[in-house]
Amino acid sequence: AQSVAQPEDQVNVAEGNPLTVKCTYSVSGNPYLFWYVQYPNRGLQFLLKYITGDNLVKGSYGFEAEFNKSQTSFHLKKPSALVSDSALYFCAVRDRRWGYSTLTFGKGTMLLVSP
Amino acid sequence: AAGVIQSPRHLIKEKRETATLKCYPIPRHDTVYWYQQGPGQDPQFLISFYEKMQSDKGSIPDRFSAQQFSDYHSELNMSSLELGDSALYFCASSLRGVSGANVLTFGAGSRLTVL
Repeated sequence: AQSVAQPEDQVNVAEGNPLTVKCTYSVSGNPYLFWYVQYPNRGLQFLLKYITGDNLVKGSYGFEAEFNKSQTSFHLKKPSALVSDSALYFCAVRDRRWGYSTLTFGKGTMLLVSP
Repeated sequence: AAGVIQSPRHLIKEKRETATLKCYPIPRHDTVYWYQQGPGQDPQFLISFYEKMQSDKGSIPDRFSAQQFSDYHSELNMSSLELGDSALYFCASSLRGVSGANVLTFGAGSRLTVL
């Protein structure tokens, strides 16, 4: 079975400060990892993914994520937060062994960036 | 660029009624997924189709059924609706490729309210 944990329901950060949204995963094999963002009443939008190679993945809107195999983590980061980054962020995982299996999402973390 | 189109965007039904949601995937995408997102919840996988054949099945109730048609659009049929079926229903599509690293592109969702 594959699962994702996002330990924080909400993250608060001031504009201009760095942000981190945490994600840990569990799979039997090696993972494909994804981050999606959801704005109110909108569908999920893809931010970035980890397949293989460099542990630091860069994505849309200045976001990046670091894959750490020993800690089974894939934390989302941004050096300088914007108010417009305020949204719901979902981490997702797919077990590499079951290439076409469903994508499993975490519970989501609400990011609130204050002016 | 064309996106995933879902209709209707909003739907209000009474208990025990039937509802049908439609999804038009991105052209040339060969896989369609349905997810259900309850209030404050993470998206829960319902079912997926690859090349018009059911590919994977998640927590889809027996009262629900889905299919993918020859033009690749998909419909989710929900019968004997219950209050707990009130949720945002997302359709996503992807190009399967040769690995499990395919990115899902989500539609804006169909909000079902059961009264």
